Amino acid sequence: EIVMTQSPATLSVSPGERATLSCRASQSVSSNLAWYQQPPGQAPRLLIYGASTRATGIPARFSGSGSGTEFTLTISSLQSEDFAVYYCQQYNNWPSSITFGQGTRLEIK
Amino acid sequence: QVQLVESGGGVVQPGRSLRLSCAASGFIFGSYGMHWVRQAPGKGLEWVAIIWHDGSNTNYGDSVKGRFTISRDNSKKTLYLQMNSLRVEDTAVYYCAREYSSSVGRTFDYWGQGTLVTVSS
Repeated sequence: EIVMTQSPATLSVSPGERATLSCRASQSVSSNLAWYQQPPGQAPRLLIYGASTRATGIPARFSGSGSGTEFTLTISSLQSEDFAVYYCQQYNNWPSSITFGQGTRLEIK
Repeated sequence: QVQLVESGGGVVQPGRSLRLSCAASGFIFGSYGMHWVRQAPGKGLEWVAIIWHDGSNTNYGDSVKGRFTISRDNSKKTLYLQMNSLRVEDTAVYYCAREYSSSVGRTFDYWGQGTLVTVSS
């Protein structure tokens, strides 16, 4: 099983500042990586797929990068609605291997 | 607009069974693969199962293989998850999710709001 490790577990950032979240895979997943946002008490929402493609309706302040085993989600200027938990997910061997990271909690500093 | 509405959750004793449903609307249900994903209280996301758009194939996560069965009725636009031999560790919010397929891969583009399953004696 491919293990996804996210860091940091919690990130404290002020509104208007930039946030950088990391995700590492235990083996290469090529660009088969997605990012999701989960606000408190809500379902996850797809942000990024293919490591860097924004999903429909996702603001341009969200960007993804990386390939292989190292990936990054960047939020360029944090808005109040961005404070949530973020998950990465690999789908390299769809559908026999679909795994999520443990999440990064983005909180207001 | 795309809507996925789960139902059927509740409190059940270990070893018993429960069936979840997910009613879909706003899209051509029979054209999409569908999944179940769960989230234990305060924990992360765990993929549970997939069913092909036409029901011809299924696959399961290791933790539920042999106990859970995913199925669908395209005429009713409904996805199901039959959960047998439930364990305390199956306690979670269960989400249904639509599969999105593109040139850069597959992922989950729409999620329901989830239904809580609590396994407890």
